[in-house]
Amino acid sequence: GIQVEQSPPDLILQEGANSTLRCNFSDSVNNLQWFHQNPWGQLINLFYIPSGTKQNGRLSATTVATERYSLLYISSSQTTDSGVYFCAVERYSGAGSYQLTFGKGTKLSVIP
Amino acid sequence: ETGVTQSPTHLIKTRGQQVTLRCSSQSGHNTVSWYQQALGQGPQFIFQYYREEENGRGNFPPRFSGLQFPNYSSELNVNALELDDSALYLCASSLVPLAERTDTQCFGPGTRLTVL
Repeated sequence: GIQVEQSPPDLILQEGANSTLRCNFSDSVNNLQWFHQNPWGQLINLFYIPSGTKQNGRLSATTVATERYSLLYISSSQTTDSGVYFCAVERYSGAGSYQLTFGKGTKLSVIP
Repeated sequence: ETGVTQSPTHLIKTRGQQVTLRCSSQSGHNTVSWYQQALGQGPQFIFQYYREEENGRGNFPPRFSGLQFPNYSSELNVNALELDDSALYLCASSLVPLAERTDTQCFGPGTRLTVL
């Protein structure tokens, strides 16, 4: 099956700093999503980004599908950005079936 | 618009027991997927239901089974619970058709299952 690798596994930032999270995937995909998981386990969708660049406030994401990677940028980090960030790729397997394959996540800790 | 809801929030079972977890899809969504997230890991795909039939399955044994109802709500059943089944179980819903799908899978808050 498809492999999804995220780096770094852990990241500690001072409040106000910028960061870049990376997601590499081993095969062509139909779609890619970035999620933030809060301490209570809720997965919040950040970006649905099969290709190109999107921005939402202090967050932006870029996916280069031909080179099989995606980047999530966090600028001016805040303590509320802490949590685990997951990249998940999606492949269609016929008959309308599809599934998300997740990476192991990047655990971000933003300290005041 | 109502989001994805799951029940119960937490559950404690003993090895060998059976458990049923429930999910209500986001309004208008007709596809539901279930994921298992072990501690410190990313979620893993269990299976997906569309039009009340299983429409794709991950690497999970048959003791993991599911149902989807006409109102698009869903159940995940796990028989003969094992200690390794302790995890956060997440339900996600989305809208088909997929050819030009631009929506995302929306996740519920999860059910945390502990098997003793």
